Amino acid sequence: QKEVEQNSGPLSVPEGAIASLNCTYSDRGSQSFFWYRQYSGKSPELIMSIYSNGDKEDGRFTAQLNKASQYVSLLIRDSQPSDSATYLCAVSGGQNFVFGPGTRLSVLP
Amino acid sequence: DAGVIQSPRHEVTEMGQEVTLRCKPISGHNSLFWYRQTMMRGLELLIYFNNNVPIDDSGMPEDRFSAKMPNASFSTLKIQPSEPRDSAVYFCASSLGGGTNEKLFFGSGTQLSVL
Repeated sequence: QKEVEQNSGPLSVPEGAIASLNCTYSDRGSQSFFWYRQYSGKSPELIMSIYSNGDKEDGRFTAQLNKASQYVSLLIRDSQPSDSATYLCAVSGGQNFVFGPGTRLSVLP
Repeated sequence: DAGVIQSPRHEVTEMGQEVTLRCKPISGHNSLFWYRQTMMRGLELLIYFNNNVPIDDSGMPEDRFSAKMPNASFSTLKIQPSEPRDSAVYFCASSLGGGTNEKLFFGSGTQLSVL
């Protein structure tokens, strides 16, 4: 069974710090990797996608992928209170997406 | 673009009643997904359509659940009879292409409470 694992948190960081979110997956055939952000009571929204090994940067967000280690991470630089949310890692390689349980991030002012 | 539209936003019903959830995907998107989210189990895929055809329904919990996509702009998820353990947020999502390597756009969800 395909699995995606994340630390449930909560992960607390002070405003302005770097938040580091991690995700591991079990299916070596996975090809596409996504990070979704979900505010409480809202629907998930895509913030990053990554398909090849290495880093991908978009503004304050950097996604990192290491297929050999089956590991994906999301770094949020200069964290803001508005970044407080649950971050879902999603992995795809076949007929469907598999979402991780999410990590709850709290950015303290 | 109006995004993925789901209705109703909230549904409260009694055990044993039929529940129908509705979804309109983004125009031009070829794939549609139904997810269920609970605190205990997270976000679970129930069923996935491509070009209105069900591709993977292995996540549908049991025969009480059924989903249809009669055309490219409309899908329903039906639960009959409903049970308290069906209480969850049900999300519909769509994507542009036919595979699962593309980003999903989620609707606002339907909060279902079965008493």
